[in-house]
Amino acid sequence: DVKVTQSSRYLVKRTGEKVFLECVQDMDHENMFWYRQDPGLGLRLIYFSYDVKMKEKGDIPEGYSVSREKKERFSLILESASTNQTSMYLCASSLSVYEQYFGPGTRLTVT
Amino acid sequence: SQQGEEDPQALSIQEGENATMNCSYKTSINNLQWYRQNSGRGLVHLILIRSNEREKHSGRLRVTLDTSKKSSSLLITASRAADTASYFCATKRKRNYKLSFGAGTTVTVRA
Repeated sequence: DVKVTQSSRYLVKRTGEKVFLECVQDMDHENMFWYRQDPGLGLRLIYFSYDVKMKEKGDIPEGYSVSREKKERFSLILESASTNQTSMYLCASSLSVYEQYFGPGTRLTVT
Repeated sequence: SQQGEEDPQALSIQEGENATMNCSYKTSINNLQWYRQNSGRGLVHLILIRSNEREKHSGRLRVTLDTSKKSSSLLITASRAADTASYFCATKRKRNYKLSFGAGTTVTVRA
């Protein structure tokens, strides 16, 4: 069965902290994605990766960076967390052009 | 940027009734997908319809696609309490890894 896991379900951080969100998939998928989800705005793509060490900016990359050193792992980094980055963060993976498989999400609160 | 927009934003129905929601999009697509999200969880893929298909069924789900109108509909027949969730359409453009999600339709099924 397909599985995407995220390191934390809930996270509380202070303004200015460096935050790491980890995502691991066990399906050998080439593509991995990070989204944030806010009420009324749907899912917005932050970054995606189509291969190890390859990344592309999504629609809202400002304030974020990513790392993909191994095929199964895709990390989202908030270099200096701010309150406007309080959100639900969703990781997904996919094979080629087909459906995406999502993790359970990390609800991040920045105070 | 949001490519898809769902309508209505919210829907409340009685158990056993059918639920219909619509999705409109702006540019030409390779495929259109529907996802379900239970409260506070990750998204689950429901069904994918390719741009050359007009209708697709999966269990109690029926999806239509009208590329001339740039619209799709999702019908859930004989709804159950477990169908209470948010439903998102997502479009995939040609030669592009990304999915663009709408803001979703929240469906409440009353017992």
